[in-house]
Amino acid sequence: DAMVIQNPRYQVTQFGKPVTLSCSQTLNHNVMYWYQQKSSQAPKLLFHYYDKDFNNEADTPDNFQSRRPNTSFCFLDIRSPGLGDAAMYLCATSWTSTNEKLFFGSGTQLSVL
Amino acid sequence: DQQVKQNSPSLSVQEGRISILNCDYTNSMFDYFLWYKKYPAEGPTFLISISSIKDKNEDGRFTVFLNKSAKHLSLHIVPSQPGDSAVYFCAASARAGKLIFGQGTTLQVKP
Repeated sequence: DAMVIQNPRYQVTQFGKPVTLSCSQTLNHNVMYWYQQKSSQAPKLLFHYYDKDFNNEADTPDNFQSRRPNTSFCFLDIRSPGLGDAAMYLCATSWTSTNEKLFFGSGTQLSVL
Repeated sequence: DQQVKQNSPSLSVQEGRISILNCDYTNSMFDYFLWYKKYPAEGPTFLISISSIKDKNEDGRFTVFLNKSAKHLSLHIVPSQPGDSAVYFCAASARAGKLIFGQGTTLQVKP
C-alpha cells in the first residue's frame, strides 16, 4: 500500500547530540512536511518542501534543519537537541500545497536525556 | 496566539448516541477546514473537510457544520461507535496557506 513511513518509531538521544529522523513516501507527492507535536498540544508546522523548494516557518529554531535528497525521502536534523525538543515528530505529504488533505506517517517519538 | 482552538480536551459518549466535537477559530481569512482522526501509535488520518462557501458537508456518519459568523465548526458523528474512539483534530487554512491545527479532542465511545 502507498504510504508515509517514519523511522524510527522511538528515538532516544542525549542532550546536545545531533539526531536525524527520516521519512519516506510511496505516494509520489510533491510536498513533504515536518510537524512537531508536544503532549496535548496542536501539531506545529516546522517546514515543508514543495519539490526541492524549502519553506521554513518563521518561528522554527535554527537548531532544526531538513534535507530532501529526492522525491521519496525527507530528513529532519536536530543539530543540538535540548530537553524542550522532546516531542512527537510527524511527517506528512500532499500532492500540492493548496488546501489539500495531508497524509501523515505514524510519527517518531523523540526523547532527550 | 492560537488561531484554532478545541476547548474540550475530552468527550465521552455512549455507543449509538451522537458525538459533537467543537472547534473555534479566530482568523476570518480561513477558507478551508478539515477534521483529522488519530488512533494511538498512528499518524492522523483525514476524515472530512469543508470549504467556507458551504455551511455543511456530510460523509456517511460524519457531518461537519460551519458557522462563519460565529467562527465555529463542529463535527457530528451519528451514530457513534466504539471504533470512533480516537483523538480528533480540526485544522484550518487561509488562501491555500499552511494548515493550522487545534489541540485535539479525545473522544471515548462507550459500549
